[in-house]
Amino acid sequence: QKEVEQNSGPLSVPEGAIASLNCTYSDRVSQSFFWYRQYSGKSPELIMSIYSNGDKEDGRFTAQLNKASQYVSLLIRDSQPSDSATYLCAVIRYSGGGADGLTFGKGTHLIIQP
Amino acid sequence: EAGVTQFPSHSVIEKGQTVTLRCDPISGHDNLYWYRRVMGKEIKFLLHFVKESKQDESGMPNNRFLAERTGGTYSTLKVQPAELEDSGVYFCASSQGYEAFFGQGTRLTVV
Repeated sequence: QKEVEQNSGPLSVPEGAIASLNCTYSDRVSQSFFWYRQYSGKSPELIMSIYSNGDKEDGRFTAQLNKASQYVSLLIRDSQPSDSATYLCAVIRYSGGGADGLTFGKGTHLIIQP
Repeated sequence: EAGVTQFPSHSVIEKGQTVTLRCDPISGHDNLYWYRRVMGKEIKFLLHFVKESKQDESGMPNNRFLAERTGGTYSTLKVQPAELEDSGVYFCASSQGYEAFFGQGTRLTVV
């Protein structure tokens, strides 16, 4: 059974600090991992994807993947009030016929305090 | 480039009625997905089209839900007859590779 777990928060971080969001998954064959940001009442917005162990950086965002420990994290440097949102961790498992749908965690509500 | 478009944005219907949701994917995207989020729960996968074919419909809750994708372009999701527990936000997403892009969602309320 695929499962993705996140701490629902809220996670409160002062402006300018580093926000650290964590996610664990249960399906060892999972191969692709995504972070989506969702503002209240809006659609999930893809911000990071990661496919291999290690770190991937894009601007102020860094995704980290450790397949042996089955966890993926997202770091947001120099946090801004506009980063306040719910961050969704999602995992995809290939069926051999193409990309399967995503399995989502419940999301972590991040609050950046000015 | 236009994103994934869904309509209506909101729908309020009575129990037992029929509702049809529509999704227009990003042009050229072969993969189209439907998801649903009910209050307090995580976003759940419903089904996956590759072009006009259903690749995976394991997430469809029951036979009251019918999805179609005409000519590999837009898709519809029909709920007939609607029940109270069908209330939630229905998202559509599309992709060409592994990165999926979501529409704004349709908020369905069954009363």
